[in-house]
Amino acid sequence: GAGVSQTPSNKVTEKGKYVELRCDPISGHTALYWYRQSLGQGPEFLIYFQGTGAADDSGLPNDRFFAVRPEGSVSTLKIQRTERGDSAVYLCASSSSPGGNTGELFFGEGSRLTVL
Amino acid sequence: GENVEQHPSTLSVQEGDSAVIKCTYSDSASNYFPWYKQELGKRPQLIIDIRSNVGEKKDQRIAVTLNKTAKHFSLHITETQPEDSAVYFCARGQGAQKLVFGQGTRLTINP
Repeated sequence: GAGVSQTPSNKVTEKGKYVELRCDPISGHTALYWYRQSLGQGPEFLIYFQGTGAADDSGLPNDRFFAVRPEGSVSTLKIQRTERGDSAVYLCASSSSPGGNTGELFFGEGSRLTVL
Repeated sequence: GENVEQHPSTLSVQEGDSAVIKCTYSDSASNYFPWYKQELGKRPQLIIDIRSNVGEKKDQRIAVTLNKTAKHFSLHITETQPEDSAVYFCARGQGAQKLVFGQGTRLTINP
């Protein structure tokens, strides 16, 4: 597709369950980002990939959160032992700029996670 | 990272009038300042950005000004139209790798 694709668009789970959120970036974009957006707030940085490696994971809130990008394209955000406070829209973005130094972040529509 | 303060949180203007949104930051290492527009239930989209070596940038009805000494930057929308209604987010970063976003401004254009 032409844009960043995220699946699922909506996920409802129970407290304590494991969740995976997938991001398919724009073809050829080397930089990939995960952000989290709570209701009425701005996006909050989680992690940034350059190619296959996590260049900066300082935004991950705790060790229940993990993300991978094994082939430098699709990325998966994994959340273990979900808590109600994890409920938010998880946004993925990609960029064509090496190192992300310039240029636009292209966001996906997000995955809305609700933890009951 | 250090926060970005964005004001106002809501803004209502008459169609055709101008709208101004302001952001302040404290991290002097920041050198990249984008503005994103997010319509209800949609993805954020970049509308304009400015780098620290420039004081002002304009793109049709949208302009951004940056005062790096005072650590504030502003978005100006002139001749507002109903389709400008959305939530606007400012952000700052050292490059675009790790943006810190403001809390957002809900702009409503009244016909």
